[in-house]
Amino acid sequence: AQSVTQPDIHITVSEGASLELRCNYSYGATPYLFWYVQSPGQGLQLLLKYFSGDTLVQGIKGFEAEFKRSQSSFNLRKPSVHWSDAAEYFCAVGELTGGGNKLTFGTGTQLKVEL
Amino acid sequence: DTGVSQDPRHKITKRGQNVTFRCDPISEHNRLYWYRQTLGQGPEFLTYFQNEAQLEKSRLLSDRFSAERPKGSFSTLEIQRTEQGDSAMYLCASTPYPSYEQYFGPGTRLTVT
Repeated sequence: AQSVTQPDIHITVSEGASLELRCNYSYGATPYLFWYVQSPGQGLQLLLKYFSGDTLVQGIKGFEAEFKRSQSSFNLRKPSVHWSDAAEYFCAVGELTGGGNKLTFGTGTQLKVEL
Repeated sequence: DTGVSQDPRHKITKRGQNVTFRCDPISEHNRLYWYRQTLGQGPEFLTYFQNEAQLEKSRLLSDRFSAERPKGSFSTLEIQRTEQGDSAMYLCASTPYPSYEQYFGPGTRLTVT
């Protein structure tokens, strides 16, 4: 069965600093990988996705992620964090099933931005 | 495109009562998913519909849970005889064919007292 590990429960960065959130996955085949962001009391917003091709993917809000098959990782990065980026971030791997895509999420990383 | 909507946003119920949640997917999205998220955890898959057919159910979905999607449009998730352990955020997501990107609604937060 697939699984996702986000080793950092909480991360604090200063506004303007760079950010990297770690994600490791376990999946037998070529993974479909996603990063979502969740603000308090809200649903999840898709930041970016990797299906195939270029291993560096660009997303919304200035985020990017790099797929590294050898390390089973899909880390999320942003060169300069804004205070509005404070939220919880979830990495997910998709399992294709019956024509659909069942997502398995990590436990999330809570990002705090210091002004 | 009005996004995925869920109703109600919050529900407080007493243990043993039945509750029903509704999800309206984005128009023409033929696939619909339900997830449950407890405090401090990521969402966990519950069930999945393609049009009106329920194609997969998680072992998390006990006999007290039932989901429907009549006519392949909105979906309902019913929990019978609620227990305190059912307290969670219930999230709905939809996907257009043939994409695999899931668009999530704001969720329904259930509190069982």
